[in-house]
Amino acid sequence: GESVGLHLPTLSVQEGDNSIINCAYSNSASDYFIWYKQESGKGPQFIIDIRSNMDKRQGQRVTVLLNKTVKHLSLQIAATQPGDSAVYFCAENRGTYKYIFGTGTRLKVLA
Amino acid sequence: DTEVTQTPKHLVMGMTNKKSLKCEQHMGHRAMYWYKQKAKKPPELMFVYSYEKLSINESVPSRFSPECPNSSLLNLHLHALQPEDSALYLCASSQATGEVNEQFFGPGTRLTVL
Repeated sequence: GESVGLHLPTLSVQEGDNSIINCAYSNSASDYFIWYKQESGKGPQFIIDIRSNMDKRQGQRVTVLLNKTVKHLSLQIAATQPGDSAVYFCAENRGTYKYIFGTGTRLKVLA
Repeated sequence: DTEVTQTPKHLVMGMTNKKSLKCEQHMGHRAMYWYKQKAKKPPELMFVYSYEKLSINESVPSRFSPECPNSSLLNLHLHALQPEDSALYLCASSQATGEVNEQFFGPGTRLTVL
């Protein structure tokens, strides 16, 4: 069936390095994608979004890249900090109010 | 105020119990959501209300009964649950413009069914 998934379940990076978290999606009709951060004991927190008419969007220390040709989404975090340790989910909009989450990647920041 | 609150934080219930989860927001959002999240899994959409009317029911078993009594409140009534229903239940809200809108999530209620 259709799914939104991630290549790596756990990513460990050294503090100060850049992190790249990947996501593959299968619904070519999807036109809006979101990255969420979920810390332990908390609900998901919006990080950044991108519409399908864009291939790159930048925020504060984060960049989302969208490659529609291969249906791939990535989240880049610059100068990763200990506070970035969390589980990151991509989510795909599948219609009004309907969002499908990917499987998640745990980011561990090593001191 | 950009906060979604959920009560209780933790809930333990037996399979014959009836309980309710509550969610509240005061951001003026007219779309509210219930998600279920099992351990180490992504959130799964259960229900969506827009303008206090049920818009989406993702084929959720009838032992889960949502209610949206007003634009700020969302309830999830639980009855005759199974142990496999143990999970984190997340509430979210967003604007309801029909365009894609940022969802704001609460911290969740961790439910254990014995």
